[in-house]
Amino acid sequence: EAQVTQNPRYLITVTGKKLTVTCSQNMNHEYMSWYRQDPGLGLRQIYYSMNVEVTDKGDVPEGYKVSRKEKRNFPLILESPSPNQTSLYFCASTFGPAYEQYFGPGTRLTVT
Amino acid sequence: DAKTTQPTSMDCAEGRAANLPCNHSTISGNEYVYWYRQIHSQGPQYIIHGLKNNETNEMASLIITEDRKSSTLILPHATLRDTAVYYCIVRANTGTASKLTFGTGTRLQVTL
Repeated sequence: EAQVTQNPRYLITVTGKKLTVTCSQNMNHEYMSWYRQDPGLGLRQIYYSMNVEVTDKGDVPEGYKVSRKEKRNFPLILESPSPNQTSLYFCASTFGPAYEQYFGPGTRLTVT
Repeated sequence: DAKTTQPTSMDCAEGRAANLPCNHSTISGNEYVYWYRQIHSQGPQYIIHGLKNNETNEMASLIITEDRKSSTLILPHATLRDTAVYYCIVRANTGTASKLTFGTGTRLQVTL
């Protein structure tokens, strides 16, 4: 089954404790993205990747890092999480700009 | 990407057609109209997209006006499972980024 998976689905952590949210897709997609969703602000793109070792900033990249060492994986790294990064995070993948995006199930992160 | 305007919320009786409007008066010639939906806090799900012609797939129909300044997503026989937030997005199918710019969408409530 074609899918995007994210782990963990729920995470509560404390300020400053480094964490990684994993994202994996099994569709051989070139493009992958991370979004965050906050009430009243909609979904906003954090980072995206057009291929292995090619990543670029989206609209709200501050406080986040990503890597794309393999085509199927695109982890999101928070080196020093802060409470304003409490949010619902979605990973997405697609063949390219002309194609539909497939979204993961989401990761609800709470930073206290 | 062009900005879109959608009603905040709509109701629809189960079994009836749900018609969700979207205004995109500043759309450019190379921009497509995409529709996604988000059920509760799940990952957004692609529904349909089009450029000028009306489109239909197993989920919905998309009607785009001749001047392309507005469109309507039609769910022909709405069910309770169609209760979701529906997003109308306008974007060009070119460029290196795969970003989708989500607005606040229309919250569709399907009732018995």
